[in-house]
Amino acid sequence: LAKTTQPISMDSYEGQEVNITCSHNNIATNDYITWYQQFPSQGPRFIIQGYKTKVTNEVASLFIPADRKSSTLSLPRVSLSDTAVYYCLVGTSGAGSYQLTFGKGTKLSVIP
Amino acid sequence: DGGITQSPKYLFRKEGQNVTLSCEQNLNHDAMYWYRQDPGQGLRLIYYSQIVNDFQKGDIAEGYSVSREKKESFPLTVTSAQKNPTAFYLCASSTYQGASTEAFFGQGTRLTVV
Repeated sequence: LAKTTQPISMDSYEGQEVNITCSHNNIATNDYITWYQQFPSQGPRFIIQGYKTKVTNEVASLFIPADRKSSTLSLPRVSLSDTAVYYCLVGTSGAGSYQLTFGKGTKLSVIP
Repeated sequence: DGGITQSPKYLFRKEGQNVTLSCEQNLNHDAMYWYRQDPGQGLRLIYYSQIVNDFQKGDIAEGYSVSREKKESFPLTVTSAQKNPTAFYLCASSTYQGASTEAFFGQGTRLTVV
């Protein structure tokens, strides 16, 4: 099971780009990296997923270096509504199963 | 609308009683999951199921039980053996395509022991 390590918290001003890095030294060859966002008293919401290099969608970018031992979620020009907890997950893929194991996440606070 | 529904949103239980939390999905997903979240903490996996009539323990299964008799449903029973059941419970479902997957979560059930 690939364990992930993220910063516990981050602060950012509105309009800035925010980069949250996740370490996953034991990632397996077939594992994907997935990021979720959670607001208080709600279920997490999928943001982005990738395997290698760079993935971009309408809300974020995900950068994965060649060794895949870390990944960086990039949120462009954050707003107050981006204040949330962000989780990095690395999937296990043994014997046809897929566990979704969450770490403690990174609490992002956006300041006006 | 397709989605995953948890009920009830709030639940109160007396000590020593069992209580069952409902989770239903109409996304045709094979996999379903139950998580527990305590204040200020991350999600901890209780049970997960990849197919009907099969499920596996997660990290904190003690004091909980599940069933998966239908693809759409994955109810969680919090038994009297769970010593500290007050928490926010989240259910999720996902497809499985190799190791790539996207999970969808319900809105959660907040259980309080009184």
